[in-house]
Amino acid sequence: AQTVTQSQPEMSVQEAETVTLSCTYDTSESDYYLFWYKQPPSRQMILVIRQEAYKQQNATENRFSVNFQKAAKSFSLKISDSQLGDAAMYFCAYRRSGNTPLVFGKGTRLSVIA
Amino acid sequence: EAGVAQSPRYKIIEKRQSVAFWCNPISGHATLYWYQQILGQGPKLLIQFQNNGVVDDSQLPKDRFSAERLKGVDSTLKIQPAKLEDSAVYLCASSPDRDSSYEQYFGPGTRLTVT
Repeated sequence: AQTVTQSQPEMSVQEAETVTLSCTYDTSESDYYLFWYKQPPSRQMILVIRQEAYKQQNATENRFSVNFQKAAKSFSLKISDSQLGDAAMYFCAYRRSGNTPLVFGKGTRLSVIA
Repeated sequence: EAGVAQSPRYKIIEKRQSVAFWCNPISGHATLYWYQQILGQGPKLLIQFQNNGVVDDSQLPKDRFSAERLKGVDSTLKIQPAKLEDSAVYLCASSPDRDSSYEQYFGPGTRLTVT
């Protein structure tokens, strides 16, 4: 079974600074997708960024970027120029190819300090 | 485009009572998921529908949980009888296409407290 591990229950960052959230996963599949979701206190889960395993290039979305190391099964999220609105729970998630459910890690609570 | 709708947003019941949650996915989305999110954990799949058929219900506690998706649109999730450990947020999500590699869209969730 696929598993996703987030080893940092909590992280904090100063406003305008950069923070990296870690994620590792375990799978025997070769074709899969990885995601970072953000869940603010209102609980609506929002997609931050996704990475297709077959792509070598790391995904970027504005201030958010990932470091995808397929051999190491590592998928970290970097948030640059952190803003107060970035404060939330961040979940790393895995999905096999096809219309399959997400497998989530336990999450990392990010605090942004003004 | 309207998002995934869920109701109620909050529910408090006593153990052994029954409860039902409702989800309306994004229009045209064929796949619907119910996830259970216990405090301090990531969401875990309960059941997946493709149109009105069940694709995966292997993690659904079928002795107390049931779910249906009538006409391949709205879905209801029921718990009967509820236990204390069912206290959680129940998230509904939908995605557009079969074999899509793209995101799932989540509703705001229903927070259930069982006392």
